[in-house]
Amino acid sequence: EVQLLESGGGLVQPGGSLRLSCAASGFTFSSYDMNWVRQAPGKGLEWVSSISGNGGRSDYADSVKGRFTISRDNSKNTLYLQMNSLRAEDTAIYYCAKVPHGAMATGYFDYWGQGTLVTVSS
Amino acid sequence: DIQMTQSPSSLSASVGDRVTITCRASQGISNSLAWYQQKPGKAPKLLLYAASRLESGVPSRFSGSGSGTDYTLTISSLQPEDFATYYCQQFYRTPPTFGQGTKLEIK
Repeated sequence: EVQLLESGGGLVQPGGSLRLSCAASGFTFSSYDMNWVRQAPGKGLEWVSSISGNGGRSDYADSVKGRFTISRDNSKNTLYLQMNSLRAEDTAIYYCAKVPHGAMATGYFDYWGQGTLVTVSS
Repeated sequence: DIQMTQSPSSLSASVGDRVTITCRASQGISNSLAWYQQKPGKAPKLLLYAASRLESGVPSRFSGSGSGTDYTLTISSLQPEDFATYYCQQFYRTPPTFGQGTKLEIK
């Protein structure tokens, strides 16, 4: 059974940093591209970032480019999102999401974690 | 970026009703469209991909159609568990973008 479990969310001040983790199980993690998608409270879904299975290619939404860094450790079956220079508008639930085999890295998402809440506030 | 516009934004319906939600892209997306269902406090769940292909385990009362810029999600006979928010998403171009959501409520 595919499982994705995010952690690392919390309350952080504007300008601060946070690192999110997503522990994966139930599939061969290194064979799949992975993404982060966020959802501000009461709002819709926004794609944040993607990374290829071997970690060699990544993409970012313009809203986070230069501030967020996606990475993965395939030996630990874990996806990361390093978030720096956080702003109030980054407040959201952050989901990690898996891309199906054969789909492009920024494709559609067949499995999602339960999400971790990041709140940016003073 | 490709803009995705869903209609309606909200919808009231009864158990057993047939319901259709529409998603329009700002440019042609060649069937590179997915539909998700999200219940309160839960992660989105994939229902359909490639506009009309049903994800494994999703009931057959869900169907999708469309081409070019216009796509629809149809629920043939609403069940109590179908009351949720539905999102479309294009994956034709990076960045992938979502519609604003359609909240399906019980009448």
